[in-house]
Amino acid sequence: AQSVSQHNHHVILSEAASLELGCNYSYGGTVNLFWYVQYPGQHLRLLLKYFSGDPLVKGIKGFEAEFIKSKFSFNLRKPSVQWSDTAEYFCAVNTWAGNKLTFGGGTRVLVKP
Amino acid sequence: NAGVTQTPKFRVLKTGQSMTLLCAQDMNHEYMYWYRQDPGMGLRLIHYSVGEGTTAKGEVPDGYNVSRLKKQNFLLGLESAAPSQTSVYFCASSYETGVQPQHFGDGTRLSIL
Repeated sequence: AQSVSQHNHHVILSEAASLELGCNYSYGGTVNLFWYVQYPGQHLRLLLKYFSGDPLVKGIKGFEAEFIKSKFSFNLRKPSVQWSDTAEYFCAVNTWAGNKLTFGGGTRVLVKP
Repeated sequence: NAGVTQTPKFRVLKTGQSMTLLCAQDMNHEYMYWYRQDPGMGLRLIHYSVGEGTTAKGEVPDGYNVSRLKKQNFLLGLESAAPSQTSVYFCASSYETGVQPQHFGDGTRLSIL
């Protein structure tokens, strides 16, 4: 069964700092990759997705993620965070043969003003 | 266009009581999902449906039942609630499996005393 690991459970940083969140998955075949964001008290929203093509994917609010197939990774980055980026971030993976997403445990990000 | 609507938003139950959570989507999506979200564990799939009249077990199905009698509705039932089922429950839907991102409802916060 596929699994998704997010190694950072909590991240605290100041505004304007750079952010990188790690995501690794275990599945050897073709995958679809997603990052979701959950702002406090709200539902999950899609941040960005990778299906195929350019492994560097740009999403909303200045976020980007890079798919490195050889490392089974899909790390999320933002060059300069804002206080409004305080949220929990989830990586998710779906295999082309599967009917469902597998989520990582989430990373809580706190941006100090 | 409401998207995915979950009712109720909050509920407190006593151990042994039963209840049904309702999920409704107006996007004509084939696939619907029920997740539970617990701290540090991300989202775990309870049950899912790939179309009207179909259901399948996810990662943590024990203690839950589901029904998809109409394409737009996906019901999650707890026959005999247990404190371990205290969680936030999210419903999601998607047009296709995995390829399209899932759209999430606002969640139901359920406490079992």
